[in-house]
Amino acid sequence: SAVISQKPSRDICQRGTSLTIQCQVDSQVTMMFWYRQQPGQSLTLIATANQGSEATYESGFVIDKFPISRPNLTFSTLTVSNLSPEDSSIYLCSVGGIGVGEQFFGPGTRLTVL
Amino acid sequence: AQSVTQPDIHITVSEGASLELRCNYSYGATPYLFWYVQSPGQGLQLLLKYFSGDTLVQGIKGFEAEFKRSQSSFNLRKPSVHWSDAAEYFCAVGASGFQKLVFGTGTRLLVSP
Repeated sequence: SAVISQKPSRDICQRGTSLTIQCQVDSQVTMMFWYRQQPGQSLTLIATANQGSEATYESGFVIDKFPISRPNLTFSTLTVSNLSPEDSSIYLCSVGGIGVGEQFFGPGTRLTVL
Repeated sequence: AQSVTQPDIHITVSEGASLELRCNYSYGATPYLFWYVQSPGQGLQLLLKYFSGDTLVQGIKGFEAEFKRSQSSFNLRKPSVHWSDAAEYFCAVGASGFQKLVFGTGTRLLVSP
């Protein structure tokens, strides 16, 4: 299994600012995923990030709001731009495991927007 | 489109009692099914998975789940719950080439003394 770390673990941000979340994996992986977990809700996939290509966004998520970088096989960042209180959520990154569909998750970043 | 339903938002179980968490899925082909657990302040951990073969799968921490195609269900069970099992449990189905996961809304398990 992969060990995944995220920074920051939590943050409180002002409306209109941006937050960049880092995801670091201890091994090289092809696919990385970014999820949002709104308060009391399930996980919703934001985008899939493959190294060397543009991220693929799910319906309802756009690159201008959630730009993603994937500079190498062990690292990715998700930026949440122009923050509003509705962006208050936990953001999680995950990587694909050996098994089909299997994913390993980071501990998450808890974002609160005031 | 794939979807997962977890009908129970909260469940309270006495410590030592048995547990069953329900999960129903909608998927046009043979599904790849997963149960994940999220402890407070933690990321998600894979408990078990079903791809094919034996419909009763064993996972970590004493959990098991049974795939029932006729009922489109993949219920999670544990014969004796421990206080440390208190957490949020998510059922998920593999979708779109099975690299994406579609999650249910989760069931919060509370364990009473």
